[in-house]
Order: sequence, then structure tokens, then C-alpha cells
Amino acid sequence: GEDVEQSLFLSVREGDSSVINCTYTDSSSTYLYWYKQEPGAGLQLLTYIFSNMDMKQDQRLTVLLNKKDKHLSLRIADTQTGDSAIYFCAPGRGNYGGATNKLIFGTGTLLAVQP
Amino acid sequence: ETGVTQSPTHLIKTRGQQVTLRCSSQSGHNTVSWYQQALGQGPQFIFQYYREEENGRGNFPPRFSGLQFPNYSSELNVNALELDDSALYLCASSSGQGANEQFFGPGTRLTVL
Repeated sequence: GEDVEQSLFLSVREGDSSVINCTYTDSSSTYLYWYKQEPGAGLQLLTYIFSNMDMKQDQRLTVLLNKKDKHLSLRIADTQTGDSAIYFCAPGRGNYGGATNKLIFGTGTLLAVQP
Repeated sequence: ETGVTQSPTHLIKTRGQQVTLRCSSQSGHNTVSWYQQALGQGPQFIFQYYREEENGRGNFPPRFSGLQFPNYSSELNVNALELDDSALYLCASSSGQGANEQFFGPGTRLTVL
């Protein structure tokens, strides 16, 4: 079946880099998205990567994809206290032939940034 | 460009009642997806609407139903509410093209007593 796994918790110091890892099972995923959720709020789309790419950089964010191992990571450079939140990776299918773009979420990773 | 909005923000119902949640999609988007997020969990896909037709459904019973209107706004209806339906309900809109990024609204917090 479709499954996403992430470590539950990550603690870093302000100014350090954070790396959040994700493994997924759906090999037909064509786009892999990263979302951020602050307490009591909706999900904010941070970035995404197309499945034929290995890496994507977007300002402080770097996404690495190992499609063979179905492993995805999000690196946040110079982590700030405002980055404290829950981070979700979510494999999806974009829009191919009208296929449903159902996103699969795991339980997410809580990132705690210490001042 | 307006973002995704949802109403109401919070709602309290009792078991057996029915509820309707509303979502206005982002300007230019024709696809709306609904997700249920229980406390401490990730969102779970309920269903998706594309140009007023249901276009995929997750593992939710038929008492969860929806509509999409010609302006692409959407409703989620839940009948015969159960305690386990207490959750944050999120809608997301997308363009239906390319990477088809889903942009989420702030959610409706439903509590069933």
C-alpha cells in the first residue's frame, strides 16, 4: 500500500542546518512535496521536486531525492526559531491523464529550533 | 490573488448530527481536495473534485460526501457524526495542471461530543 515514514522529532540549534528525512512506498509518485504546519494552522507548501530530478535548491531549502530507494530529504540552511513547526513530505502524482492528485502524508517531523 | 478560505473556523456538534463545511478555492483553480487531520496525525485524503465531478476518493465511508460548484468552491458534508470524526478538516485547491501544487486553507476544527 501507500505509506510515508518520517522520524517524529528533530532538535537543532539556531543557525545550524536541519535535515528532515522521508521514505515512501508509492513508486508512481511523480511529484514530491514538502509542507510546513505551525500549531493550529493549515499546511504551507514549501517546495516540491519532480521525480526525474535528484536535487532542487530553493533559497534556504535543498531537496534531495533518491528515487531508487524512495528516499527524500529536506535540508534547511541557517535554521531560525521561526522554522519551528511540523514538516510533512507528501508524494503525489501531479496531473497526468486526469489522475487524482491524492497526497499521502505520514505523521510528520516536529522540528524544534533552540535559540 | 486570494488564497484558499474555509468556513466556519470552529464547530461543535453532537453524535448523530450532520455538518457542512465550506471551502473557497484560490483564484484560477478548478480542483479541490479535502483532507481529515486527526490530532497528532498527518492529513488523510477524503476526496477530490475536478470541474464539479468527484475525481478520486480515499478510504472514507459514504456518509462523507461533497459538492463542487460552478465557481469551483466546494462543500464537505458529513452525516451521522461519530466521535472519531473530531478532527481538523482541510481543503486544498490546485490548478489541475503540471505539478498541480495543492494550496491549503486554514482548516475547520470540528469537535463531536
